[in-house]
Amino acid sequence: DAGITQSPRHKVTETGTPVTLRCHQTENHRYMYWYRQDPGHGLRLIHYSYGVKDTDKGEVSDGYSVSRSKTEDFLLTLESATSSQTSVYFCAISEPRNEKLFFGSGTQLSVL
Amino acid sequence: AQKVTQAQTEISVVEKEDVTLDCVYETRDTTYYLFWYKQPPSGELVFLIRRNSFDEQNEISGRYSWNFQKSTSSFNFTITASQVVDSAVYFCALSEAGGGETSGSRLTFGEGTQLTVNP
Repeated sequence: DAGITQSPRHKVTETGTPVTLRCHQTENHRYMYWYRQDPGHGLRLIHYSYGVKDTDKGEVSDGYSVSRSKTEDFLLTLESATSSQTSVYFCAISEPRNEKLFFGSGTQLSVL
Repeated sequence: AQKVTQAQTEISVVEKEDVTLDCVYETRDTTYYLFWYKQPPSGELVFLIRRNSFDEQNEISGRYSWNFQKSTSSFNFTITASQVVDSAVYFCALSEAGGGETSGSRLTFGEGTQLTVNP
């Protein structure tokens, strides 16, 4: 199994509060991704990173920001959480380009 | 823009039946990659297969087989002699090869098909 750890695994928060989800990898892979999974939508790309301090937006990036200060960590921040951001969030890694993604176990986030 | 459609939201079969999960994709790229992932009730995402657009050979892995047809933009997945352990959500996904080194493997997923295999 790919060494990917997501934290926390579960989180309940209130509307308007900031939330940070962490993804940590031990594989030294270049590419890292954040997806959200919602019923009827499959998985949708939020942001991804192609190197330290190199990130770009995905399909559903509004309301989210990311940071990658070192190869192994990729943080996803909801600056002011909304109920529409209640979802399961998956981190993924890949190497090299166009290869399969390895996914973390997911974070269940509930915004009340 | 790329798009993946899995028209079957839910499928229910009885154990030992064969079942085919449909996947239709749209892309403007001539080079692309197609994937299938399995998500069992435990929630993790398990990689099943990756095919590139230049390889139209069908593939078989045990009870699993995949039929790739560029003419119809389809990449269908068949489970032969289904088992209860095959019950899961199955996702088809597409990655376009263009975009250079900064693009990585940005997969676009279909909505998923919930397969239930009853004993």
